[in-house]
Amino acid sequence: EAGVAQSPRYKIIEKRQSVAFWCNPISGHATLYWYQQILGQGPKLLIQFQNNGVVDDSQLPKDRFSAERLKGVDSTLKIQPAKLEDSAVYLCASSFIRGAQETQYFGPGTRLLVL
Amino acid sequence: DAKTTQPPSMDCAEGRAANLPCNHSTISGNEYVYWYRQIHSQGPQYIIHGLKNNETNEMASLIITEDRKSSTLILPHATLRDTAVYYCIVKGETSGSRLTFGEGTQLTVNP
Repeated sequence: EAGVAQSPRYKIIEKRQSVAFWCNPISGHATLYWYQQILGQGPKLLIQFQNNGVVDDSQLPKDRFSAERLKGVDSTLKIQPAKLEDSAVYLCASSFIRGAQETQYFGPGTRLLVL
Repeated sequence: DAKTTQPPSMDCAEGRAANLPCNHSTISGNEYVYWYRQIHSQGPQYIIHGLKNNETNEMASLIITEDRKSSTLILPHATLRDTAVYYCIVKGETSGSRLTFGEGTQLTVNP
């Protein structure tokens, strides 16, 4: 079974530039998540999609971050304009539900460095 | 969601059992205990989860105390590839599917 795919794996940009990340979840997984992981910390949820609808974006900095999941499959996360503090790993995860609980499967992440 | 407390780091000898503790004294009745791990430069990986009973799968065992205020993840025969950050997470229905990661325990398996 193919895992969660993300691209690019690495990105270096200057502050105030724009950047976009792409995620392809595991086939059949209706729920997709984007997390931000700053060095030395655990991942923090940015946004959750159920099919192509947003379930939770309470922790997404909406003045500069946006995300979409067209057709309920692939998703893109965009930062515009980027700040130095956006340097982090951006993780995509997808999940299925087994019984009452849920297991999330994570991609390898995109490592962003903002200079 | 209940907050969890884990030691920042632990060491284990290769081939020995690794026992990773987690305190979750404010856990409520409908909250599950999940364990994920993150090997360097990879995304987190699901290990196991439980509610009240002890659980075992091909990766690990999860022991939850009777009062559910703490749990222990056991890797029965640790290998060098088990070196990772291990996250204990309490997850319930009130937060939907949100996984709230703390800083976890850095487990280092030594040869």
